[in-house]
Amino acid sequence: DTAVSQTPKYLVTQMGNDKSIKCEQNLGHDTMYWYKQDSKKFLKIMFSYNNKELIINETVPNRFSPKSPDKAHLNLHINSLELGDSAVYFCASSPLARGVDIQYFGAGTRLSVL
Amino acid sequence: RKEVEQDPGPFNVPEGATVAFNCTYSNSASQSFFWYRQDCRKEPKLLMSVYSSGNEDGRFTAQLNRASQYISLLIRDSKLSDSATYLCVVTPPMDSSYKLIFGSGTRLLVRP
Repeated sequence: DTAVSQTPKYLVTQMGNDKSIKCEQNLGHDTMYWYKQDSKKFLKIMFSYNNKELIINETVPNRFSPKSPDKAHLNLHINSLELGDSAVYFCASSPLARGVDIQYFGAGTRLSVL
Repeated sequence: RKEVEQDPGPFNVPEGATVAFNCTYSNSASQSFFWYRQDCRKEPKLLMSVYSSGNEDGRFTAQLNRASQYISLLIRDSKLSDSATYLCVVTPPMDSSYKLIFGSGTRLLVRP
């Protein structure tokens, strides 16, 4: 019954590896997001998709590539992982792409790059 | 200057105390305002929206001052369960892409 679910919850990997994080929402929302929360707890948006279309692409390295096979899924693939990628990654969804709107977050994926 | 600034705290208060947090934002054309709550090692969750007229939800009161570009959150009769990080959230003007801009959070510790 989880509204926004991410997998895996924890990810420990070596520098240089490629990894993916999956996100699914069963709320029927049109818009999904990826956020990164660093060690200082600062939560920053990375990407947003509205109905499978990329609408927000903040300044992130192009090693990060989001993919949205349908509006209920937004995955994040990271190539050539670096130490600085260690953070908690949150997926979120909202009903609309614009306007006053609540976002619902997944439980987060804690990525540790060794 | 950061888009959204908060005092990181921690605010350490006894149960039953009243505590207030402020948050300032830099873009005067910001559209919407929220307080989110994030428990340790959990995801952020909406606590309440913030309206110009001010709004109250039980022990929580939120205020918006557009002229001074700040938002406040007042918690009355603090409970142990209120211990968390409170995130001030702002959305840009309507003519820009919709996204939430988070402050770095204010940590609250309520002690017995």
